[in-house]
Amino acid sequence: QPVLTQPPSSSASPGESARLTCTLPSDINVGSYNIYWYQQKPGSPPRYLLYYYSDSDKGQGSGVPSRFSGSKDASANTGILLISGLQSEDEADYYCMIWPSNASGVFGGGTKLTVL
Amino acid sequence: EVQLVESGGGLVKPGGSLRLSCAASGFTFSSYSMNWVRQAPGKGLEWVSSISSSSSYIYYADSVKGRFTISRDNAKNSLYLQMNSLRAEDTAVYYCARVRAFDIWGQGTMVTVSS
Repeated sequence: QPVLTQPPSSSASPGESARLTCTLPSDINVGSYNIYWYQQKPGSPPRYLLYYYSDSDKGQGSGVPSRFSGSKDASANTGILLISGLQSEDEADYYCMIWPSNASGVFGGGTKLTVL
Repeated sequence: EVQLVESGGGLVKPGGSLRLSCAASGFTFSSYSMNWVRQAPGKGLEWVSSISSSSSYIYYADSVKGRFTISRDNAKNSLYLQMNSLRAEDTAVYYCARVRAFDIWGQGTMVTVSS
């Protein structure tokens, strides 16, 4: 079962941008997968934010602001969630997920984002 | 309003069984694949199982294979998870979620496995 690596924590100030990463193992090419992103606040279920495959194949969750966006860094085999214009309400845990096969889904360990 | 509501959680002894339900509303349930995802206390998310819209395709995480059974009743707009041979490590909030994108989540139901 592949492991998606997310930094345990990240922080940024209001109005700044936060760049959250999700690194795939070396035997899985990030370019071949949709990367899904979720936001979870304490005591609430996860919320679907978006998926990113490429600039021409991506999708935003219903009601998710456009300041949440996805991308990939192929050189680092990494999926990226960019949150621009940070707001205090963006403080939450963020999870990435892929389907390495039709038969299994895998989540990253999550990143706790603190808005300073 | 698109909604998923889980039920059936509770306290069960190791080796026991429990059946979770997920009631769907606000969308054509029979057209969508469905999933179960769990989250142990203070931990991250773990995909548990998936079922296609017509139940033709069913998948399980290795951690639950042979013990859990996913099913659905499209006439009742309901998803189920039969959990047998429960272990302490199965203690978690169990969420149902729609499609491979997990675009809609329920509020979750807590399962505690303890003697």
